[in-house]
Amino acid sequence: TQLLEQSPQFLSIQEGENLTVYCNSSSVFSSLQWYRQEPGEGPVLLVTVVTGGEVKKLKRLTFQFGDARKDSSLHITAAQPGDTGLYLCAGGPLNTVTNAGKSTFGDGTTLTVKP
Amino acid sequence: NAGVMQNPRHLVRRRGQEARLRCSPMKGHSHVYWYRQLPEEGLKFMVYLQKENIIDESGMPKERFSAEFPKEGPSILRIQQVVRGDSAAYFCASSPSVAYNSPLHFGNGTRLTVT
Repeated sequence: TQLLEQSPQFLSIQEGENLTVYCNSSSVFSSLQWYRQEPGEGPVLLVTVVTGGEVKKLKRLTFQFGDARKDSSLHITAAQPGDTGLYLCAGGPLNTVTNAGKSTFGDGTTLTVKP
Repeated sequence: NAGVMQNPRHLVRRRGQEARLRCSPMKGHSHVYWYRQLPEEGLKFMVYLQKENIIDESGMPKERFSAEFPKEGPSILRIQQVVRGDSAAYFCASSPSVAYNSPLHFGNGTRLTVT
């Protein structure tokens, strides 16, 4: 069974600070997605990383996929209250190049950015 | 372009009753996935369906739970004889293909409360 561990579980910071959250596994994934979920809503896809060592930037968010495709990080620069939410990572199974929908999700990092 | 639509948003059932959750995928998406989320946890895969076919139900409990995606109409997740442990948020997602990096689009979920 593939497992994804996210850390920290909870993070509360002041507006303007930087932060990094992590997603780790002992398993290799074919791809890794990061989602943000707000209370009462479904997860919204932020990014998909596929290649080991890949770095993607989305405005103030930087995503990195580990060289071995077992881990990933999300770095937010100058956090804003609008960044508040649950950040989930999800890994696509390695044993098939299809069926991305059967992803393994981590338990998430709950981020609170205080104004 | 409507997103994934789930209804009802909230459902309250007494122990022993049946719960029916509906999901209409995004237009043009023929792949539907159901996930369950407990408070402060990630999403757990339940079942993957295409039109009129269950492709993978490895995450769904063997008893009381069933899912369908008929030729016409929404996908239905059915829980018979509900118990308190079934209380959770149930999310449906759809995708246009099964490519490993094909994005999942989530609905806003149905929050089931069993009293």
